[in-house]
Amino acid sequence: DAKTTQPPSMDCAEGRAANLPCNHSTISGNEYVYWYRQIHSQGPQYIIHGLKNNETNEMASLIITEDRKSSTLILPHATLRDTAVYYCIPRRGSARQLTFGSGTQLTVLP
Amino acid sequence: GAGVSQSPRYKVAKRGQDVALRCDPISGHVSLFWYQQALGQGPEFLTYFQNEAQLDKSGLPSDRFFAERPEGSVSTLKIQRTQQEDSAVYLCASSLGAGGLRYEQYFGPGTRLTVT
Repeated sequence: DAKTTQPPSMDCAEGRAANLPCNHSTISGNEYVYWYRQIHSQGPQYIIHGLKNNETNEMASLIITEDRKSSTLILPHATLRDTAVYYCIPRRGSARQLTFGSGTQLTVLP
Repeated sequence: GAGVSQSPRYKVAKRGQDVALRCDPISGHVSLFWYQQALGQGPEFLTYFQNEAQLDKSGLPSDRFFAERPEGSVSTLKIQRTQQEDSAVYLCASSLGAGGLRYEQYFGPGTRLTVT
């Protein structure tokens, strides 16, 4: 699986957009980009995934660069409940388990 | 509906004791995973079941770790002769299908094991 680089921590003001970057320059053509988050004392929660097109759901948007070497998770209007560790996870189609890195600790400030 | 549940939520064991951690996956979910999460780190894969079959146990750190899912639903992770390095949060996850991209994993809240 591709290696990822994420900033260890970020702050965001409540109500503003949170943009979380992820570098995955060694990603292969058959690897999707998954995002999970983990709120303190809870298990990880699926957010969104994509291959090469931008994706949007009720939780977030995912922007993947054309060369697929990086992506950005966007929370359009961050709330205090979005404070969590966010993990970017490249994943092959045949893979069953998830391979987590260290993630980004996002703190939403009032 | 009910999510993935795990019990106990907290377990303190003396070094050398055996422990058993239980996972109740979402009803009907075929796949079940166990992960170990050390303090300040991301979860790490331990083992995978498809129904009652343990198809991958490559992440189990030693032969002191054993997992089972005899009827294809509830799973138990057993750790024998616990060591201090076993202290971690143990997470269980289930998914509807037999792996692959179409099926997201749903995680339980975890069991925090502390070995003293």
